[in-house]
Amino acid sequence: AQSVTQLGSHVSVSEGALVLLRCNYSSSVPPYLFWYVQYPNQGLQLLLKYTSAATLVKGINGFEAEFKKSETSFHLTKPSAHMGDAAEYCCAVSDRLEKLTFGTGTRLTIIP
Amino acid sequence: GAVVSQHPSWVICKSGTSVKIECRSLDFQATTMFWYRQFPKQSLMLMATSNEGSKATYEQGVEKDKFLINHASLTLSTLTVTSAHPEDSSFYICSAWTSGGPRYNEQFFGPGTRLTVL
Repeated sequence: AQSVTQLGSHVSVSEGALVLLRCNYSSSVPPYLFWYVQYPNQGLQLLLKYTSAATLVKGINGFEAEFKKSETSFHLTKPSAHMGDAAEYCCAVSDRLEKLTFGTGTRLTIIP
Repeated sequence: GAVVSQHPSWVICKSGTSVKIECRSLDFQATTMFWYRQFPKQSLMLMATSNEGSKATYEQGVEKDKFLINHASLTLSTLTVTSAHPEDSSFYICSAWTSGGPRYNEQFFGPGTRLTVL
């Protein structure tokens, strides 16, 4: 069985500050890992995914995440937050590319 | 590109009635669609996998006779909640899996349907 833990259901950062959203996973097999973003009234959009290639994955909108097997983590970062980054962010794990197990999500608020 | 729509976006129904939710891939063909459910403050949970032209595969604990899934074409899957009860009130989300093209093997999600059963 696989699981995902996202620490912090709500995160607030100032505009221009570093964004760090935490995701830890549990998997008995080498995992595929995903970050999704959801804006109001829209569906989940894929930000980035790790599929056993490079451990540092770059995604859209300046986000990146690093796969750390020793820490079973896949934290999402962005050097400088913009107001448009305010959204719900979900981490997910899979043992294949299709069946996803999601975390509970983190709501990111940007403070002007 | 790769847009998935859901209809309706929200629905309120009386206990005991049935509700149908549609999931459409608007600009691509999806051989597989997934149905998720999300209760407040909980994560998205996979309910079933819907394959075009064949029976859906349900996750453990999901009643197949209560949640009827039909995937009659490569662009449409429907989820019918039969004899809905208040505990079925939830946020239902579908996703479509592309079977070809430059973004194959990626899931595209619909905006979700909020079901409230009175």
